Amino acid sequence: EAQVTQNPRYLITVTGKKLTVTCSQNMNHEYMSWYRQDPGLGLRQIYYSMNVEVTDKGDVPEGYKVSRKEKRNFPLILESPSPNQTSLYFCASSLRTGVHEQYFGPGTRLTVT
Amino acid sequence: AQSVTQLGSHVSVSEGALVLLRCNYSSSVPPYLFWYVQYPNQGLQLLLKYTTGATLVKGINGFEAEFKKSETSFHLTKPSAHMSDAAEYFCAVEGGGNKLTFGTGTQLKVEL
Repeated sequence: EAQVTQNPRYLITVTGKKLTVTCSQNMNHEYMSWYRQDPGLGLRQIYYSMNVEVTDKGDVPEGYKVSRKEKRNFPLILESPSPNQTSLYFCASSLRTGVHEQYFGPGTRLTVT
Repeated sequence: AQSVTQLGSHVSVSEGALVLLRCNYSSSVPPYLFWYVQYPNQGLQLLLKYTTGATLVKGINGFEAEFKKSETSFHLTKPSAHMSDAAEYFCAVEGGGNKLTFGTGTQLKVEL
């Protein structure tokens, strides 16, 4: 089954404790992206990747890191999480940008206390 | 730069009534336009998209949207609402730059 998977689905952590949210897709997509969803703000892009070893900042990259060492994986790293990073995070992938639809993972709900 | 405005963060309709969710966009290049739906506790899934050609686009679950360049709009409609349509709907624009920009979403409530 074609899908985007994210782990963990739920995470409660404390300020400053490094964490990684994994994202994997099995559709051989070139493009992958991370979004955060906050009430009243919709989805905002954090980082995206056009292909292996090619990443770029989205609209809200501060406090996040990503890497794309393999085509299927695109982990999101929070080196020192803060309470304002409490949010619902989505990973998405698409064949390429432009006309191609994005396929979304199920989401990771992160709470930073 | 590109942006999306969705008018009305909450829309309520009766079952069987017309659904109209509004979306206006701005883009410096001919845009690709999308509507996504998010059911509770799920990720987003594509309802429909406009790329080129016919301006009236049909999607899944009886939804359709019309691209109106002169009005910079891409409103989503469905003739008859069903209880299962209750969800949050997002309009999005891809206007170059490898970036999909989302609106802030419209929560659709369907009442008996």
